[in-house]
Amino acid sequence: EVQLVESGGGLVQPGGSLRLSCAASGFTFSSYWMHWVRQAPGKGLVWVSRINNDGSTTGYADSVKGRSTISRDNAKNTLYLQMNSLRPEDTAVYYCARDRNTAADSWGQGTLVTVSS
Amino acid sequence: QSALTQPASVSGSPGQSITISCTGTSSDVGGYNYVSWYQQHPGKAPKLIVYEVSNRPSGVSNRFSGSKSGNTASLTISGLQSEDEADYYCSSYISSHNIGDVFGTGTRVTVL
Repeated sequence: EVQLVESGGGLVQPGGSLRLSCAASGFTFSSYWMHWVRQAPGKGLVWVSRINNDGSTTGYADSVKGRSTISRDNAKNTLYLQMNSLRPEDTAVYYCARDRNTAADSWGQGTLVTVSS
Repeated sequence: QSALTQPASVSGSPGQSITISCTGTSSDVGGYNYVSWYQQHPGKAPKLIVYEVSNRPSGVSNRFSGSKSGNTASLTISGLQSEDEADYYCSSYISSHNIGDVFGTGTRVTVL
């Protein structure tokens, strides 16, 4: 069974940094591209970032480009999202998801990031 | 990276069919057959129900069907059931150097 478990969320002050992790199991992690998607409270889904299977190719939404870095450790079956210069508008539940044919076919339960002073 | 446009809400009675539209541009929906649809119940993670415009993952009911014409994709739910009451989001690959995706604005489906 595919499992994705996010961690690392919490309360951070504006301008601060946070690193989210996503532990993957139940599939060959190194064979799949991966996504980060976020959802602000009461709002819709927003795509954040994607990384290819070996970590050599990445993409970002304009809203996080230059402030966030997606990465992965295939030996540890873990996906990461380093977020810097956080803003109140970055407050959201952050989901990691497995990519299959450009669709996100499996999702974690999410980790909440709150940016507030 | 503007969000794809979906109606805010759609409703129907049990057993009826409803259709949710998802309008983009030639740079996303119209340019690729990489449109996906997701169902999200309150407090839950999204679930993939259609990929590559019209394909269903294993285990997804055949009451869900997807299609595309030009820059607009559509999701049809036939034989509407109470458990279909949820939020639905489309998504599309977008052409850029940034290998990005874009989601729709979301549609709340209400079963009357």
